[in-house]
Amino acid sequence: DQQVKQNSPSLSVQEGRISILNCDYTNSMFDYFLWYKKYPAEGPTFLISISSIKDKNEDGRFTVFLNKSAKHLSLHIVPSQPGDSAVYFCAASETNDYKLSFGAGTTVTVRA
Amino acid sequence: SAVISQKPSRDICQRGTSLTIQCQVDSQVTMMFWYRQQPGQSLTLIATANQGSEATYESGFVIDKFPISRPNLTFSTLTVSNMSPEDSSIYLCSVRQGRTEAFFGQGTRLTVV
Repeated sequence: DQQVKQNSPSLSVQEGRISILNCDYTNSMFDYFLWYKKYPAEGPTFLISISSIKDKNEDGRFTVFLNKSAKHLSLHIVPSQPGDSAVYFCAASETNDYKLSFGAGTTVTVRA
Repeated sequence: SAVISQKPSRDICQRGTSLTIQCQVDSQVTMMFWYRQQPGQSLTLIATANQGSEATYESGFVIDKFPISRPNLTFSTLTVSNMSPEDSSIYLCSVRQGRTEAFFGQGTRLTVV
């Protein structure tokens, strides 16, 4: 049973505009959330994370928002750049557990 | 952060054979994990590699098919045994130091023919 869901398999956005990626989860024990970017033939690269005690975390062009009541988080990339074209994975872990559960991924294409 | 080297980066194997994937980390880490990414799918955890004891496998994965070694805090191997075409995937080694981000190797792309 998929506990982390990314319902949009793909997203196309114009360079300079905002990319918004969404992620939903079903496990109420998740309390730490991460976003990863993956290029073909490479391992996932960590982007940004958020703890359940926060509702927002920002790092440069990347901002993650967490809505615990809705069990929903989103990643905003502003402005989008061609190098942002990749697969983005949402991941989550439970309290006192180091394992990560991943969503299916969203392929982002940034158009020039 | 941690730098993870995985070998081989890719391989094409005959069905019925076995492949051992190596994962070397540049620092001592407590938690090491092995993931699989089947074509077009997400990352699925195979097992947690425990130093000095047997690995902890997730539901659907068994030691006979995916034996794992963890002789020390910087090295682990995953063997994919008696391979079939369904084992064609990317296999990824990962480490995590506490409740922070996890780091990944570049992955091993396995094709079974």
